[in-house]
Amino acid sequence: AQSVAQPEDQVNVAEGNPLTVKCTYSVSGNPYLFWYVQYPNRGLQFLLKYITGDNLVKGSYGFEAEFNKSQTSFHLKKPSALVSDSALYFCAVRKGYSTLTFGKGTMLLVSP
Amino acid sequence: EAGVAQSPRYKIIEKRQSVAFWCNPISGHATLYWYQQILGQGPKLLIQFQNNGVVDDSQLPKDRFSAERLKGVDSTLKIQPAKLEDSAVYLCASSNRTSPLHFGNGTRLTVT
Repeated sequence: AQSVAQPEDQVNVAEGNPLTVKCTYSVSGNPYLFWYVQYPNRGLQFLLKYITGDNLVKGSYGFEAEFNKSQTSFHLKKPSALVSDSALYFCAVRKGYSTLTFGKGTMLLVSP
Repeated sequence: EAGVAQSPRYKIIEKRQSVAFWCNPISGHATLYWYQQILGQGPKLLIQFQNNGVVDDSQLPKDRFSAERLKGVDSTLKIQPAKLEDSAVYLCASSNRTSPLHFGNGTRLTVT
């Protein structure tokens, strides 16, 4: 069975500072990894994905994530946070074209 | 491209009543998903269709939930009878084999 852990319910960061939202996964074989963002009363929006290749993937709105196979992690990062980045972030994993499994989400709060 | 359309946006019903949600996926997307998102949790897959066939419905409470995608395009999810614990946001998503999932804005169901 595949699973995702997001160990932090909430991350607080000041505007302009770097941010990291943590994600670890468990899946047999090679994972497909995703980050989605959810704004209030909206559906999830795709940010970025790792399928294969370079371990550092870049996505929308200046976000990036680093795939670390030895640590089974896929942390989301941004060099300089914006207040408008405040939202709920979900990490997700699947093997091949199997079902996509989501973590419980991490609320990111960026203060002015 | 037009996004995934869902209706209604909000629904309030009493327990033991029935309710139906509608989803129209992105044109050309063969795969359609229904997810349940309970407050404070990540989305949980209820059912996945490939065209008009069911790929995965292992987490669908089949005694009360049903879903169909008769013509391989739009889909309906029904709950009958509803329970208090069914209160959640119901998200529809679609994809093709190479794309990430694209989500609709969801239907927020409140069961009283």
